[in-house]
Amino acid sequence: KAGVTQTPRYLIKTRGQQVTLSCSPISGHRSVSWYQQTPGQGLQFLFEYFSETQRNKGNFPGRFSGRQFSNSRSEMNVSTLELGDSALYLCASSFGRARNEKLFFGSGTQLSVL
Amino acid sequence: AQSVTQLDSHVSVSEGTPVLLRCNYSSSYSPSLFWYVQHPNKGLQLLLKYTSAATLVKGINGFEAEFKKSETSFHLTKPSAHMSDAAEYFCVVSSSNDYKLSFGAGTTVTVRA
Repeated sequence: KAGVTQTPRYLIKTRGQQVTLSCSPISGHRSVSWYQQTPGQGLQFLFEYFSETQRNKGNFPGRFSGRQFSNSRSEMNVSTLELGDSALYLCASSFGRARNEKLFFGSGTQLSVL
Repeated sequence: AQSVTQLDSHVSVSEGTPVLLRCNYSSSYSPSLFWYVQHPNKGLQLLLKYTSAATLVKGINGFEAEFKKSETSFHLTKPSAHMSDAAEYFCVVSSSNDYKLSFGAGTTVTVRA
């Protein structure tokens, strides 16, 4: 069974650009959540989608957005990139039926903003 | 509101000796608690989780954790460290009222030969 797949693995952008990251969950999983990991702030929850609906959102500005498609694949978009957006972005998937389910994480997308 | 505090940013142990990673939490609702491990350049992998059943939880790779409500703690232990245990460990809390996860700052474990 394939794991959670995130693409691309690495990205380099410049300030002011926008970027789209992709996450394909494990087959059968309907929940996808996104996290930002930085050395200074650690791991922070961005948002979670279940059956194409955003079910929960962290404390990030509106420049961070996401969506989920009918096949459960999810994309995350960051507009008007800032230097501070440089981070490892992780997505995780689960069946999404309970709040204490095991999450399966992808290896992440390393975003560098120059 | 919920939060997690990992009391040690770095733990160094010798191979074959016990490992203790400390975690305290706060939560307004009945919490679910997790320990995840992250090896370099990898995503996170679940070690174990507590969901209000037994207070002593056994996980993978010989790890276990004990939930102590009176101390609001969920410390992770392993009786004998292996070189492959060198990684970063995250204590995570999820409250019963939403799907948000709060992560601790992480504890980096190094294992000396």
